[in-house]
Amino acid sequence: NAGVTQTPKFRILKIGQSMTLQCTQDMNHNYMYWYRQDPGMGLKLIYYSVGAGITDKGEVPNGYNVSRSTTEDFPLRLELAAPSQTSVYFCASSYSVAGAGELFFGEGSRLTVL
Amino acid sequence: DAKTTQPNSMESNEEEPVHLPCNHSTISGTDYIHWYRQLPSQGPEYVIHGLTSNVNNRMASLAIAEDRKSSTLILHRATLRDAAVYYCILRSNTGNQFYFGTGTSLTVIP
Repeated sequence: NAGVTQTPKFRILKIGQSMTLQCTQDMNHNYMYWYRQDPGMGLKLIYYSVGAGITDKGEVPNGYNVSRSTTEDFPLRLELAAPSQTSVYFCASSYSVAGAGELFFGEGSRLTVL
Repeated sequence: DAKTTQPNSMESNEEEPVHLPCNHSTISGTDYIHWYRQLPSQGPEYVIHGLTSNVNNRMASLAIAEDRKSSTLILHRATLRDAAVYYCILRSNTGNQFYFGTGTSLTVIP
């Protein structure tokens, strides 16, 4: 099993450009999450999904969009990139709706906006 | 989801036990206590979780106070590989979100 796979691992964007961070999981997990982590800080929840076709906002959704057309994929779209979106982005998935379900994380995507 | 409070940083000598505390005074009856750790330049990884009883696994032990308002992650013999940021998180039985705080940065001294 590959687990949670994120692409790209590194990307440099110019201000105003758009891009999509890809996330796919092969564990048939219903729950998927996107987090961002700024240098020296903890993780902030951007968006999450409880299943295909269902998404909801987290703590810091502004400037981002998501979609969930399949169980496996949960892409994160950045529109009109800004320097404040320079961060490391982590995708995660969880197998259970109950509180016991643990999170499995990808390796992260490091984004720099110049 | 309920909030957790952890010390910003802790130090431990190699091969000694480490007790990482977490306060969660507003925990509800259906909240599970989760611990994750993040090694430098990596994504977080699951360590352990529990609801009411103490839990042991190959990585660590979780001691939960009787009133559940606090918990302690115990690393029985710290190694240099255990140097990481440790996050204590509450996840409700009905909640969909995992909220991470700033965690405790553990330094292991050789």
